[in-house]
Amino acid sequence: EPEVTQTPSHQVTQMGQEVILRCVPISNHLYFYWYRQILGQKVEFLVSFYNNEISEKSEIFDDQFSVERPDGSNFTLKIRSTKLEDSAMYFCASRERVAGGRTDTQYFGPGTRLTVL
Amino acid sequence: KDQVFQPSTVASSEGAVVEIFCNHSVSNAYNFFWYLHFPGCAPRLLVKGSKPSQQGRYNMTYERFSSSLLILQVREADAAVYYCVCNFNKFYFGSGTKLNVKP
Repeated sequence: EPEVTQTPSHQVTQMGQEVILRCVPISNHLYFYWYRQILGQKVEFLVSFYNNEISEKSEIFDDQFSVERPDGSNFTLKIRSTKLEDSAMYFCASRERVAGGRTDTQYFGPGTRLTVL
Repeated sequence: KDQVFQPSTVASSEGAVVEIFCNHSVSNAYNFFWYLHFPGCAPRLLVKGSKPSQQGRYNMTYERFSSSLLILQVREADAAVYYCVCNFNKFYFGSGTKLNVKP
């Protein structure tokens, strides 16, 4: 069964450093998402991406964050200057565009645990 | 404010039917998705829709602003976090319900 993959599984960085989290969505999917989950808290939406542009973003997704689909397979989340509070699990998800779309399923990757020291 | 509500924990015994309730305040959301999440793994979809549905041991009830996930013949291996999600353009997650299963 096709699956969403994410690398690395765990990233440790120093405060102020840039990090890039990578995702390979399911190949025929057209919508891509990033979510984060701070330890002990709920999963929060960050951004959705379609047709090579951001379609929606949350208030969390400020100028420190950016997303890119640099080629036909990868979808990346960049954090320009990490802060301690960026420490979280980051999940990538993708979905296929289905006519009517209301019950499209988002398929999640296993997540990247980001630790900012 | 658009929110999804579910209990933080639910306890059950092996072999029982366990119900996890969810309701939301997302005015334009019609669909529910129930995901199972084991830490370190990808959240996995169990059941979804805008009407009652069943997938194996997982049943989903449906009302316009609420849904319950029922797990039949619950096992110790079902101990995990269950997320209720509704969608309107984006996915709105509940806080997750940790299921504890006593042998």
